[in-house]
Amino acid sequence: GENVEQHPSTLSVQEGDSAVIKCTYSDSASNYFPWYKQELGKRPQLIIDIRSNVGEKKDQRIAVTLNKTAKHFSLHITETQPEDSAVYFCAASNRRTGNQFYFGTGTSLTVIP
Amino acid sequence: DAGITQSPRYKITETGRQVTLMCHQTWSHSYMFWYRQDLGHGLRLIYYSAAADITDKGEVPDGYVVSRSKTENFPLTLESATRSQTSVYFCASCVGDSPLHFGNGTRLTVT
Repeated sequence: GENVEQHPSTLSVQEGDSAVIKCTYSDSASNYFPWYKQELGKRPQLIIDIRSNVGEKKDQRIAVTLNKTAKHFSLHITETQPEDSAVYFCAASNRRTGNQFYFGTGTSLTVIP
Repeated sequence: DAGITQSPRYKITETGRQVTLMCHQTWSHSYMFWYRQDLGHGLRLIYYSAAADITDKGEVPDGYVVSRSKTENFPLTLESATRSQTSVYFCASCVGDSPLHFGNGTRLTVT
């Protein structure tokens, strides 16, 4: 099956700085890569996703990049704010077969005011 | 949102007891999933279902049983609970190319 690795496991940044979280995947058939944000005691919620036919996607302060050749993708948060503090998970899925989603182990992001 | 609901939200049970976690979705999503969340392990897939009466094992299925007699329900049963099954359990669903949506989770403690 798919194996998703995520780094770093914890990340602290000053408010206003950028944060980058990186993930690698093992199955070249994976074609969909979502990112979820999970606040303490809450459910994971989708913040951005990217499909394998796209190299980059941006939504306001959040962007995701994908390198299919190297099998890695990254989440970029610019101008971080204290409310960005949460655990972030990357995932990989093959939407053509099975729709199983495999998650990374999470990154705990703390934005220091 | 109320599209996918889990019950109970919290459950304490004893080792060896059978316990069932419920999951109900109102979107008619064909795919449903059960994940467990543990510190340091992220979200690990227990079982999934592509449609009613179709279920399959995920990464960590041992000790769990699922059924899906109706599209909207996907209960997860721990046949004989063990302390290692203490975790937060999330049900999720999707259809076709749609994103994966999670329920609010069930925090299960096995004493």
